[in-house]
This record gives sequence, C-alpha cells and structure tokens, in this order.
Amino acid sequence: DVKVTQSSRYLVKRTGEKVFLECVQDMDHENMFWYRQDPGLGLRLIYFSYDVKMKEKGDIPEGYSVSREKKERFSLILESASTNQTSMYLCASSGGTSGYEQYFGPGTRLTVT
Amino acid sequence: GQNIDQPTEMTATEGAIVQINCTYQTSGFNGLFWYQQHAGEAPTFLSYNVLDGLEEKGRFSSFLSRSKGYSYLLLKELQMKDSASYLCAVPLNTGNQFYFGTGTSLTVIP
Repeated sequence: DVKVTQSSRYLVKRTGEKVFLECVQDMDHENMFWYRQDPGLGLRLIYFSYDVKMKEKGDIPEGYSVSREKKERFSLILESASTNQTSMYLCASSGGTSGYEQYFGPGTRLTVT
Repeated sequence: GQNIDQPTEMTATEGAIVQINCTYQTSGFNGLFWYQQHAGEAPTFLSYNVLDGLEEKGRFSSFLSRSKGYSYLLLKELQMKDSASYLCAVPLNTGNQFYFGTGTSLTVIP
C-alpha cells in the first residue's frame, strides 16, 4: 500500500518563527512536490524535486525553501513565517512504475498567528 | 501557458447522474487526471485519460477529447459520500509537474 506521510496534521506557529514541514514517501519515487491549497485558488506548486539534492521552483516559491537530502524525504521550510502563509500544505510524490500519477500525503493545516 | 477551467460548484440529487466538465489549454499533452478530494483530506486518484474516448470504472467514468481540449467526469448513482471537490489536472511537458484546476465542489443532496 503506497504511502506518503507528513509530520503534522495541524500546526500553529507565530509570525517570524522558522517552520519545518516534513514529508516521507515509501514508494521509492524520484519526484516529490510541495503544494499549498487555499479556497478559490486550488492547488499551487511551491517547489518540487526530481532527485536527491535537486530542487526546482514552482509557481509560488517566495518565502519558502526546500531540502531533499534523502530520496524518501522532502522538507519544506518557512524561514520566517507570516500570516499570509496560513494554509493547507500538501506533499505529493510520483515516479517509478506509477508514471505521472501523484500520490498525496494527508496535508498539514498551518496557522500562523 | 497552461489554463484549466472547471465549474466552481455543482449540486445534484442522490441517485442521479452528474457530469463535471473540464476544459484545458496546455503546451504539449501528457494526459489528463481526475482527483477526488473530501473536505480536509488529501486528493485521491480517480482516473487518467491519455487517449480520446470514455473510460469506465464502476460508477465513475471519464471522457477525453484532445482535439477539443475537453474532458468530463461522469458520476452515476450518486451517493452522499460523493460530496467532495473534483480536481482536473494535466502533467506539464516535463511530466514531473502537474497543473491543477481550482476544482469543482459537488454537493449531493437527499
């Protein structure tokens, strides 16, 4: 059974804090993605990675960075959290025999106060 | 560039049939995905069409016309649990990235 897990389902942080969101997949997928989802705006790609230590900016990378030191783990970092980063964050992975299909984690609801 | 259009909201009655449309414009085409997303949960895969025509999978079917840049998701014998958001998505040229539509929120009423 394929699985993508995220470190937290709910997170509350203060403005200015550094925030780490972790994502782990057990499918040996090459590609991993971080999205944020906001009402009326749908899923927007923040960053993605197609290999260890490789990363590419998505549509809205400002205010975020990522790290992929191991194939199974992709981290999203908010260097200095701001209230406009309050959102649902979804991690996904794809690759191997799965082809284009993306498998999603359960999401992290981040609130920045 | 990429663009996907879907209706924002739809309402249908339990037991009925509903069709959710998606039109897309992409540079290059690598198929079209439909995902279902219940409130507060992750999107889950429903279907993938790369060739023209209708693909049936139980109560759900998906249709694709590449020449028209058009797809639809057909849900039959609607159940209350089908109330969810339905996302249309296309892989970009690289195949790694997806471009998602904003989703159609379907409400099934008794």
